[in-house]
Amino acid sequence: SAVISQKPSRDICQRGTSLTIQCQVDSQVTMMFWYRQQPGQSLTLIATANQGSEATYESGFVIDKFPISRPNLTFSTLTVSNMSPEDSSIYLCSATTGEAFFGQGTRLTVV
Amino acid sequence: TQLLEQSPQFLSIQEGENLTVYCNSSSVFSSLQWYRQEPGEGPVLLVTVVTGGEVKKLKRLTFQFGDARKDSSLHITAAQPGDTGLYLCAGESNSGYALNFGKGTSLLVTP
Repeated sequence: SAVISQKPSRDICQRGTSLTIQCQVDSQVTMMFWYRQQPGQSLTLIATANQGSEATYESGFVIDKFPISRPNLTFSTLTVSNMSPEDSSIYLCSATTGEAFFGQGTRLTVV
Repeated sequence: TQLLEQSPQFLSIQEGENLTVYCNSSSVFSSLQWYRQEPGEGPVLLVTVVTGGEVKKLKRLTFQFGDARKDSSLHITAAQPGDTGLYLCAGESNSGYALNFGKGTSLLVTP
């Protein structure tokens, strides 16, 4: 199993600013992922965070808007850049060790 | 993209009732997973079904994987308020180890 700590758990940000979300896993994992979720709705994959190489983004998500770092096998960050109210959502990181584990999420509100 | 359709989207029942949630796709999956998510938390894995026709039981929850591995169901017997939450089915995506999620079923069990 894996325990994932994600922070901040929530934030309220001004439009035009950027927020960096941190994700720490208690063990080394090869695969880490970032998802976005509207409250009560499903998860949409943003990107796969690869250690030692650039992240792989899904259709509709770009590196300039959602830069990702993966400096080692236990840590990743997701930055939401130049935020607008449409970016208000829950952002979740995930790691796979045979099964998928999730952080508790970051609830972002952009005003 | 391998789409997963979940139904019903919302379900409100009284304690003691039975319910079934469905997860359907036109694609074949090597496995499907079911998650439960409570507000403010990340999804937590309930079960993984791998073999076509497989039935797995987790206390009052029964999970079935269709013979053709395109669909799955979750049946809850004698629902309790503690079963309240968002139930998500998920299968592997074209990106590899990342997951494609169904839209989710929001379950409310009232005393």
